Amino acid sequence: QKEVEQNSGPLSVPEGAIASLNCTYSDRGSQSFFWYRQYSGKSPELIMFIYSNGDKEDGRFTAQLNKASQYVSLLIRDSQPSDSATYLCAVFGGSNYKLTFGKGTLLTVNP
Amino acid sequence: NAGVTQTPKFQVLKTGQSMTLQCAQDMNHNSMYWYRQDPGMGLRLIYYSASEGTTDKGEVPNGYNVSRLNKREFSLRLESAAPSQTSVYFCASSAPRGRVNEQFFGPGTRLTVL
Repeated sequence: QKEVEQNSGPLSVPEGAIASLNCTYSDRGSQSFFWYRQYSGKSPELIMFIYSNGDKEDGRFTAQLNKASQYVSLLIRDSQPSDSATYLCAVFGGSNYKLTFGKGTLLTVNP
Repeated sequence: NAGVTQTPKFQVLKTGQSMTLQCAQDMNHNSMYWYRQDPGMGLRLIYYSASEGTTDKGEVPNGYNVSRLNKREFSLRLESAAPSQTSVYFCASSAPRGRVNEQFFGPGTRLTVL
């Protein structure tokens, strides 16, 4: 059974700080990794994906992947109150070619 | 370009009633998915369709059936609704983008079974 684990939070950071969201996965054959943002009462929206070890930056967001440690993270720099949402980690591939989601981490950015 | 659309947005059923949730996408994607989302449980895959004419079970298929009507439409049917099926249902579609498959979600259907 493929598992994706996230700290459920809530994670609370002050405005302007760096928010760090973490995710671990169990299937070593996993191929690509996604971060979705979900506002309360809304559907998930894709923020970033990564498939190679290392860092990938997009604006204020940086995804980090370490396949040896089976660990993927999302850093949000200069956090804004509008970043307050649940962040879902999702993993694709491995023993089955489907997307498996973690339960999400609730992030609150305080003004 | 509406993306992924779902109907209805809200629905209340009584135990034992049946209903069909509709999903359509206008992005010419081959693959479509149905998920349910429950508090503390994350998104769980119910059924998916890798391409027109094919459907496969996901993690939690019991109590549901699906139909891939054509490339655009993928419906989810509850034949005899149970309170345990109270949830938010999301449809998604995906297409390859380089080495990854990006999934795009519809707005969701909030279903309550009494």
